[in-house]
Amino acid sequence: AQTVTQSQPEMSVQEAETVTLSCTYDTSESDYYLFWYKQPPSRQMILVIRQEAYKQQNATENRFSVNFQKAAKSFSLKISDSQLGDAAMYFCAYRSANRDDKIIFGKGTRLHILP
Amino acid sequence: NAGVTQTPKFRVLKTGQSMTLLCAQDMNHEYMYWYRQDPGMGLRLIHYSVGEGTTAKGEVPDGYNVSRLKKQNFLLGLESAAPSQTSVYFCASSPDRSNQPQHFGDGTRLSIL
Repeated sequence: AQTVTQSQPEMSVQEAETVTLSCTYDTSESDYYLFWYKQPPSRQMILVIRQEAYKQQNATENRFSVNFQKAAKSFSLKISDSQLGDAAMYFCAYRSANRDDKIIFGKGTRLHILP
Repeated sequence: NAGVTQTPKFRVLKTGQSMTLLCAQDMNHEYMYWYRQDPGMGLRLIHYSVGEGTTAKGEVPDGYNVSRLKKQNFLLGLESAAPSQTSVYFCASSPDRSNQPQHFGDGTRLSIL
């Protein structure tokens, strides 16, 4: 069965610094998608970045980038130039490309931004 | 540009009562989902639908029923609420099973006394 593990329940980073959130997953599938979602105190779930497993190039969205290591089944999120508005809960998610019911979320990492 | 709308936003029930949570999306998405979010547990899939008239079980379906009579609506029902169902419930939709992200509602906080 697929699992998603976020080993850091909480992290803190100084404003303007860089932080990396880790995510590992376990799957026997070769075709899948990976996502990072952000959940601020407002509770809304917001897409941060996504990665297709068949793409070797790491996805980038402005200050957010991923380090996707398919063989190691690792999908870490790097936030550069951290801002106060980045403070939130971050969830890593796995989605099968072949099965509708295989959408697995990690337990989340709460990120604190220190001014 | 409403996206995904959940009603109600908050509700308190007594054990044994029933209720229905409504999810509506205006993006013409085929797929819709219901999740529950508990502290330290992330989001867990309750039920999902891949199109009008279809429903299927997710990871934690027990105690819940769903219906998708119209493409834009996905209802989650609790027939006999239990304290273990106290949670925040999220509805989401997506166009298909692809790299397209899910669009989430703002959640419903449900407390069962």
